[in-house]
Amino acid sequence: QVQLVQSGPEVKEPGASVKLSCKVSGYTFTELPIHWVRQAPGKGLEWMGGFDHEDGERFYAQNFQGRVTTTEDTSTETAYMHLSSLTHEDTALYYCVTGVLSIAAKPSFDYWGQGTLITVSS
Amino acid sequence: SYVLTQPPSVSVAPGKTARITCGANNIGLKSVHWYQQKPGQAPVLVVYDDSDRPSGIPERFSGSNSGNTATLTIDEVEAGDEADYFCQVWDVDTTSYVFATGTKVTVL
Repeated sequence: QVQLVQSGPEVKEPGASVKLSCKVSGYTFTELPIHWVRQAPGKGLEWMGGFDHEDGERFYAQNFQGRVTTTEDTSTETAYMHLSSLTHEDTALYYCVTGVLSIAAKPSFDYWGQGTLITVSS
Repeated sequence: SYVLTQPPSVSVAPGKTARITCGANNIGLKSVHWYQQKPGQAPVLVVYDDSDRPSGIPERFSGSNSGNTATLTIDEVEAGDEADYFCQVWDVDTTSYVFATGTKVTVL
C-alpha cells in the first residue's frame, strides 16, 4: 500500500518561498510518478506539476512556470516542491499525489498525501 | 488551454441515480479520471481510465466517456455519497493535467 506523508503546516510572509516534503513508502520510489496538487480554501483542485521516473519527464502547470520546482531524493524516497514569490493567493492545502493503476499515458492520482496547509500572511 | 465543464451541483433522492457530466472538446479521445472529496478530507479516486474502479470503490460508481462528454454515474445513491466530484484528464497538447471545477452532489 502506497503511503505519502507530508511535512507540517507553515506560515509565510508575502514574497517568501516554501519547500514542502513528501515521504513515500510502500512502493518502489523510482517507479512512481509524483505530482503536486493544491486546493485553496473553498475552491477546486489545481495541478501544479510533477515528475515521472519511468520516462524521466518533468512537467509544470503554465500558471506556475518559473515559480515552482519539484525534486526527488531517491536515497530518502522523498519528493519536494519548492514554490517561490508567495502571495496571499497561494494560501492553500498542498497535496503530493501518485498513481499506479492507470494505463493511460499519464496516470490517475490513486494515492494522496494528507496535505500541507500553507498560509501566506503578513 | 483545455477546459473541462461540470455542472456546479446535482441533487438526487436516496436510492435514485445521479449522473455527473464532464464536457470538453473530443474528451472521448482522452482518459478521464473521477475523484470524490468529502468535507475536510483528501480526494479519493473513484473511477480511472474512463470506467475502471479502484479496489474498494462500490460497483454503484461507474463511468463512461464518448464524444464530447464523460459521465460519472452513481446508482442507488446513499447519504454517504454526498460530496464534491471532480473529473480530470491529461492534455497532451499543453502537457498538463486539467481538473474541472467540480460538482457538488446533494442527497435530498
